[in-house]
Amino acid sequence: QVQLVQSGAEVKKPGASVKVSCKASGFTFTSSGITWVRQAPGQGLEWMGWISGFNGNTNYAQKVQGRVTMTRDTSTSTAYMELRSLRPDDTAVYFCARRGDYGDYQVDWGQGTLVTVSS
Amino acid sequence: DMQMTQSPTTLSASVGDRVIITCRASESIGSWLAWYQQKPGKAPKLLIYRASSLESGVPSRFSGSGSGTEFTLTISSLQPDDFAIYYCQQYNSYPCIFGQGTKLEIK
Repeated sequence: QVQLVQSGAEVKKPGASVKVSCKASGFTFTSSGITWVRQAPGQGLEWMGWISGFNGNTNYAQKVQGRVTMTRDTSTSTAYMELRSLRPDDTAVYFCARRGDYGDYQVDWGQGTLVTVSS
Repeated sequence: DMQMTQSPTTLSASVGDRVIITCRASESIGSWLAWYQQKPGKAPKLLIYRASSLESGVPSRFSGSGSGTEFTLTISSLQPDDFAIYYCQQYNSYPCIFGQGTKLEIK
């Protein structure tokens, strides 16, 4: 069965960086894509971007463009999302998800990683 | 920028009720729309993709319809497990934004 296992919770100071990992299993990583979605406390879902497992191509939301980098390691079927210059409003649960076969909808989800940005 | 607007924001209903949640896009998205269910502290769960295709394993009481700018999610007979927050998401163009969510509460 498909599993996406994310790294643990992080607490960061404003201005710092965070890198969240997402280890995939149960599907062919290089034939799929990984999307990152975040959810601030008590708020809705925000699409951040996605990375192709095949060639590493990325597409980022304008809101985080310039601060986010999504990468993947095909040898370990792991995707990474790094967010820099963290601000308090980056405090959120960050989810990775397997992209659908027919477009950027999210079929399977990781358990989420809480990133708290606080001085 | 594209906007996705769900209505209502909150919906109170009883077990056995038929409920409809609406999602409107600010511009045409064809049939490139998905619906998700989210329970507290959990990741969202895909219910519907391509506006009306039921994801494998999702109960048949869930159905989706629509195209262009107006879409609906229908639950034919509410079950206790269905009380949750529902989100639509367009994936016709980037960014693949979500609606603000509809909270389905027990009446």
